[in-house]
Amino acid sequence: GESVGLHLPTLSVQEGDNSIINCAYSNSASDYFIWYKQESGKGPQFIIDIRSNMDKRQGQRVTVLLNKTVKHLSLQIAATQPGDSAVYFCAEKRGATNKLIFGTGTLLAVQP
Amino acid sequence: DTGVSQDPRHKITKRGQNVTFRCDPISEHNRLYWYRQTLGQGPEFLTYFQNEAQLEKSRLLSDRFSAERPKGSFSTLEIQRTEQGDSAMYLCASTLGGTTEAFFGQGTRLTVV
Repeated sequence: GESVGLHLPTLSVQEGDNSIINCAYSNSASDYFIWYKQESGKGPQFIIDIRSNMDKRQGQRVTVLLNKTVKHLSLQIAATQPGDSAVYFCAEKRGATNKLIFGTGTLLAVQP
Repeated sequence: DTGVSQDPRHKITKRGQNVTFRCDPISEHNRLYWYRQTLGQGPEFLTYFQNEAQLEKSRLLSDRFSAERPKGSFSTLEIQRTEQGDSAMYLCASTLGGTTEAFFGQGTRLTVV
């Protein structure tokens, strides 16, 4: 395969710090934006979603921000823990079938 | 465990052979999706079922690929005459109605040698 695909953007943080993972999207017509976490050898796991008419939504230790003006989505993780280490993907829900269009992942590495 | 099961977890096959993967979604979920994921990339949509009806197929799904969901429960994805480029993780996801929370299985990792 292409080696360029292995070079995921990486965010390295210290345990206990806050993490911010960013994502740019392309389709202004998407109804929902979703963040997924994927650990090695596992399928993506839903974290949080946000409807396109909102600009902020909070969950447990996570906050998603949506800036429609610049088509930007971010995921904030408070008090990052070693168990948060994974690849994080943003995704758009697209069309009547609700299929997911995934963006480029970000590898979050939490240093103890 | 998300409740979505995929079998097998790993498959190594020789080029030119046919392979079939199975997905058992969460039992009450009427929507089922197949995705393909290569190393370092996000999952890419392949096909979608609502109950037993296959309602959307990606252009990624060449004529060597076929998927079924005969009774609206489990689904199978078959790849005929496998090629090395088919090597990837094949993921299945299910949802109930129009909810955004799609539950993914652990995937089937296919290696074509």
